[in-house]
Amino acid sequence: QQPVQSPQAVILREGEDAVINCSSSKALYSVHWYRQKHGEAPVFLMILLKGGEQKGHEKISASFNEKKQQSSLYLTASQLSYSGTYFCGTVPFTSGYALNFGKGTSLLVTP
Amino acid sequence: DGGITQSPKYLFRKEGQNVTLSCEQNLNHDAMYWYRQDPGQGLRLIYYSQIVNDFQKGDIAEGYSVSREKKESFPLTVTSAQKNPTAFYLCASSGPGANVLTFGAGSRLTVL
Repeated sequence: QQPVQSPQAVILREGEDAVINCSSSKALYSVHWYRQKHGEAPVFLMILLKGGEQKGHEKISASFNEKKQQSSLYLTASQLSYSGTYFCGTVPFTSGYALNFGKGTSLLVTP
Repeated sequence: DGGITQSPKYLFRKEGQNVTLSCEQNLNHDAMYWYRQDPGQGLRLIYYSQIVNDFQKGDIAEGYSVSREKKESFPLTVTSAQKNPTAFYLCASSGPGANVLTFGAGSRLTVL
């Protein structure tokens, strides 16, 4: 039931862009994105509920293709503070409630 | 400040012993969750509870038990039946609407 994330790891220089993908084999009600810094709890970034909806906050945005059960997280002009592990969490229509998380994408932004 | 408190932060246990991890929230959230995190495995759902006195198994419930006697509390017991209990355990809660999770700081369990 775990969604599949890609890539597993990314190394960027400050100012570069990155895309993290999340796909599910099940029809999805929603997709969530969280970021976890080393030794800390995951923190909510955003949620996408509608097909094709794109949401964003400053230089981090995401899209959700409801037909393909895929979501992408876009990080533009990356900052050092973006480093961490990014998780997508999905809620399939069939399971109804609790989030299923992917294995995560480790992002390292270097100076 | 509202939040989720997990205790203990670190716990060592001998094989064959049961241990209980505490999770308390003061966010007035109805739903609470337990996830297990292993390196490279992401977060895997153990149990969740949508209301008091009710809970459902997640993907990896075997060897674990929970109770939900109060809205604020959702303790997790790792029993001796759990074959590989060494892991980082995260408790979370969510309010009404779209299940946005607020996580606690986690408990790291090591079995010696």
